[in-house]
Amino acid sequence: DAKTTQPPSMDCAEGRAANLPCNHSTISGNEYVYWYRQIHSQGPQYIIHGLKNNETNEMASLIITEDRKSSTLILPHATLRDTAVYYCIVRESNFGNEKLTFGTGTRLTIIP
Amino acid sequence: DAGVTQSPTHLIKTRGQQVTLRCSPKSGHDTVSWYQQALGQGPQFIFQYYEEEERQRGNFPDRFSGHQYPNYSSELNVNALLLGDSALYLCASSLAWVGNQPQHFGDGTRLSIL
Repeated sequence: DAKTTQPPSMDCAEGRAANLPCNHSTISGNEYVYWYRQIHSQGPQYIIHGLKNNETNEMASLIITEDRKSSTLILPHATLRDTAVYYCIVRESNFGNEKLTFGTGTRLTIIP
Repeated sequence: DAGVTQSPTHLIKTRGQQVTLRCSPKSGHDTVSWYQQALGQGPQFIFQYYEEEERQRGNFPDRFSGHQYPNYSSELNVNALLLGDSALYLCASSLAWVGNQPQHFGDGTRLSIL
């Protein structure tokens, strides 16, 4: 079973920041938080991951609370191409052979 | 640099038949994982191959089997197809035992069972 809880859907205006929350209250000390997204008819796309520190890359920022029980994915300037299902995943390690356990994700719709 | 490629993109079968799906991993990757995604659901882990052996397996029956070749490409075989096997089958590749390694996904094979 997935170890995360996400809202089923969210809307965001184009050009604004999209903030996607994720609850992972049972996360253990060595588990990582990963975010993937899936655009319609495509495979999941890796976005970002972190352990305890906030992370930023060219796609997004990941903010993890100090107690690590929740996190927020931030898309700073959302575009229509960011419309997708976003999955928050808790993963036991960051090795490539560690499996991914997906939940049902958040369907993000960017409004023109 | 080619990413993960899967074939075919679409497939229609009837109940009781057998099917083979194929996956070529991203260049430099040695591990292939397979996932099943039913309509409206997140992907579910089927199994993973590394060094030509099945290393991990999810909660799927023995009708689901696989293979990995020396060039790291992989096949997923499903026997005695059921209507419930209709889904998008995703392949993901990665490097085993290397840190900070996300899995890279292909765009999947959509399997429809009539």
